[in-house]
Amino acid sequence: LAKTTQPISMDSYEGQEVNITCSHNNIATNDYITWYQQFPSQGPRFIIQGYKTKVTNEVASLFIPADRKSSTLSLPRVSLSDTAVYYCLVGGYGNKLVFGAGTILRVKS
Amino acid sequence: EAGVAQSPRYKIIEKRQSVAFWCNPISGHATLYWYQQILGQGPKLLIQFQNNGVVDDSQLPKDRFSAERLKGVDSTLKIQPAKLEDSAVYLCASSLVGRSTDTQYFGPGTRLTVL
Repeated sequence: LAKTTQPISMDSYEGQEVNITCSHNNIATNDYITWYQQFPSQGPRFIIQGYKTKVTNEVASLFIPADRKSSTLSLPRVSLSDTAVYYCLVGGYGNKLVFGAGTILRVKS
Repeated sequence: EAGVAQSPRYKIIEKRQSVAFWCNPISGHATLYWYQQILGQGPKLLIQFQNNGVVDDSQLPKDRFSAERLKGVDSTLKIQPAKLEDSAVYLCASSLVGRSTDTQYFGPGTRLTVL
């Protein structure tokens, strides 16, 4: 199982773009990279998933370099409601997903 | 579409007592997961079901924890007897097929406090 490393916490202000980088040096060929968001007293919620290059949806973008040893979750123009814990997970078909400690994002006004 | 339902939302028990949690996954989802989340940590997978069969229970403390998913729909997780270190949020999740690339949909969790 690929191990992931993320910053413990980050602070930002409303309206700014936030980039959270995850390191996964031993990612396997068939592993995908998935990000989840968790608010207090709620279960995690899927944000975005990718394999390589760039993926964008209505809430975030995911940048994955060619060597796939890291990935960056980009949240455009964050608001107070984006304050949450963000988890980076790596896994392929048949491999279970393992949650790390995640990154606590605090958005201030 | 209804989400993953869990009950109860909160439970307080004394150590050495038993407790059970219930989960109803999203309709049509074959895979069901139980996670334990200790305060300040990420969720840890306890057991994964594919329909009514166990796919992975390698991190389930089998001397005190048990889980079942009869008929491949609802699931129950039981702890007997509970220890202080079992205080945590127990999350249930479901996914369509069970590949790690499938989106997992989580319920609100059951917060267990063991005194």
